[in-house]
Parts: sequence; C-alpha cells; structure tokens
Amino acid sequence: DGGITQSPKYLFRKEGQNVTLSCEQNLNHDAMYWYRQDPGQGLRLIYYSQIVNDFQKGDIAEGYSVSREKKESFPLTVTSAQKNPTAFYLCASSYGTGGTYEQYFGPGTRLTVT
Amino acid sequence: DAKTTQPNSMESNEEEPVHLPCNHSTISGTDYIHWYRQLPSQGPEYVIHGLTSNVNNRMASLAIAEDRKSSTLILHRATLRDAAVYYCILRGAQTGANNLFFGTGTRLTVIP
Repeated sequence: DGGITQSPKYLFRKEGQNVTLSCEQNLNHDAMYWYRQDPGQGLRLIYYSQIVNDFQKGDIAEGYSVSREKKESFPLTVTSAQKNPTAFYLCASSYGTGGTYEQYFGPGTRLTVT
Repeated sequence: DAKTTQPNSMESNEEEPVHLPCNHSTISGTDYIHWYRQLPSQGPEYVIHGLTSNVNNRMASLAIAEDRKSSTLILHRATLRDAAVYYCILRGAQTGANNLFFGTGTRLTVIP
C-alpha cells in the first residue's frame, strides 16, 4: 500500500537533547512538508522541500533542521534551540506545491520533552 | 495572517446533510480552495478542492460562491465517522509553499 509513514508514534526526550523524527513516503511525490500542531490549534508549517537536496523554511523554522537526500525521505531534527518542542508533528507529501495538488499526511509523531 | 474564517463548531444529526461554511474574502484569482479533515490524534485527510466551479467526489461536494469570497463543504449524509475537525485552506496556483495556512477549523459533532 502506498502512503506516508512516521516513526515513532510517541517520543520522549530530555530537555537539551536533539531528536530526529522520521518520515518516509512511497507515493513517488516530489514535495514533502513538516508541520507542527499544538493542542487545540491548527497546523503550522516548519519546512518544506520541492525536490531532492532542496528545502525551504516555513513559518516556524527556528530550532528545527531538515535534510532531503532521497526522494522518499524527509527527516526532521528538533534541536535543543527549539524553546518549546513538545507538540504533535505531522509529515505530508504531494506531487507538487502548486494549488492543484492535495497533500497526503502521515499519522504523526507526538513528541514530549521534559 | 489567517486567510479563511470558519465557525469553531457545528453539530449535525446522523444521516442528515451538513453544510460547513468558510469565508475567504481576500482570496486571489489564482487561489485554490482546499478542504481537509482531522480525526483526534491522526493526520489530516484530504477531502476536496476547487478553483471556481462546484466540485463533487465520493466524500463530499464543494460549493463555491460566484464571487469566490466564500465556499461551503457539503456532506450529503453525515455518519459518526464524519465527526472531525474540518479545515478550509487556500493554496496559490504558483509553485512554492509559502501560501499554506491551516487555521483552527470547524469541529463537527455528529449526533446519533
């Protein structure tokens, strides 16, 4: 089955540690995205990538980093510089980034930092 | 800044139609109107999108006002599985993702 996988579903870390969230897709999509969702809030864009080896900052990129070495993979690293990292993180992909393309989302990773 | 306005919550009886409104008074001529829904603790699910004409698919219908300043997502027969938060967002036609914005959406409650 085609789709997007995120692992793990739940992740716990101590404050001051970097942590990397995994996102893999087998939909042959060129574009991939990372969003953050806080309780009772909508989604906010962290980073997006239109093609391999290229990515752009979204609205809240500070304290996060990404890489896009393969078309299928777009890992997100939450660094110790992120002041409030506890949140629900969602990865998505689409054929392109124009308005005609719908996005497909993964199941999300819930990160808790204490 | 938010580009769409939706009611915080709505209720519907099971097996009745549901009309979810969205206002987007600052929409540009090239913005597509997208709808997604999200169940608790899950990733959002694509529902439907359109530009100017009304659209239908197996999940729902999208009615777009003639001036495109508002739209309505129509679920023809609500089921308990349709209980979710529904997001209306605008996406520009040009490549690039700076125009993406998910607001707080409308929480739909379906009453058995």
